[in-house]
Amino acid sequence: DTGVSQNPRHKITKRGQNVTFRCDPISEHNRLYWYRQTLGQGPEFLTYFQNEAQLEKSRLLSDRFSAERPKGSFSTLEIQRTEQGDSAMYLCASSWDITEAFFGQGTRLTVV
Amino acid sequence: AQSVTQPDIHITVSEGASLELRCNYSYGATPYLFWYVQSPGQGLQLLLKYFSGDTLVQGIKGFEAEFKRSQSSFNLRKPSVHWSDAAEYFCAVGPFTGGGNKLTFGTGTQLKVEL
Repeated sequence: DTGVSQNPRHKITKRGQNVTFRCDPISEHNRLYWYRQTLGQGPEFLTYFQNEAQLEKSRLLSDRFSAERPKGSFSTLEIQRTEQGDSAMYLCASSWDITEAFFGQGTRLTVV
Repeated sequence: AQSVTQPDIHITVSEGASLELRCNYSYGATPYLFWYVQSPGQGLQLLLKYFSGDTLVQGIKGFEAEFKRSQSSFNLRKPSVHWSDAAEYFCAVGPFTGGGNKLTFGTGTQLKVEL
């Protein structure tokens, strides 16, 4: 399978704990995006990488959130000191150019 | 700032009936427009996209969409709906050359298909 892969698919954590999600993009794609989707809403943009450089960050990405893409391959999204409001589906997408983004199946985070 | 409005939160159609999902956008120029479909617990799959040229675009699974500049609309249509089309549909706008790389999504339309 050469699609976008996200792990884990589901994560339940206690409030205040740190969590980390991983995204493996399609191998030849140099662009990688993170989105957050809450119930009943469309995905909201969080951040964008071109190769290893993080070029754009949304104001939604508070200081508790950090994303990396070492060596321009896989990416991680870490949330520190999780809050109940962080409960959402976190979607990763990758693309070669601006014309089409391919999405992974997402990581569903539940903060209890 | 760009925005997308999907006026219908839920739509129910009978199998075999035609479908139209509405999408209106706000942007100062001709945007890139997309329709995505999301099945429960899954990621998003691209149905079709419009960048320029012919305003009627064909997509996968028998879907089509028409760009109408005068109405700032990009409505999705299908002549005959199948039960497997039940899902959530998202219209999106962007990304914008020189102005960022994000897609801006609408809030989605949940499609239910009655057998």
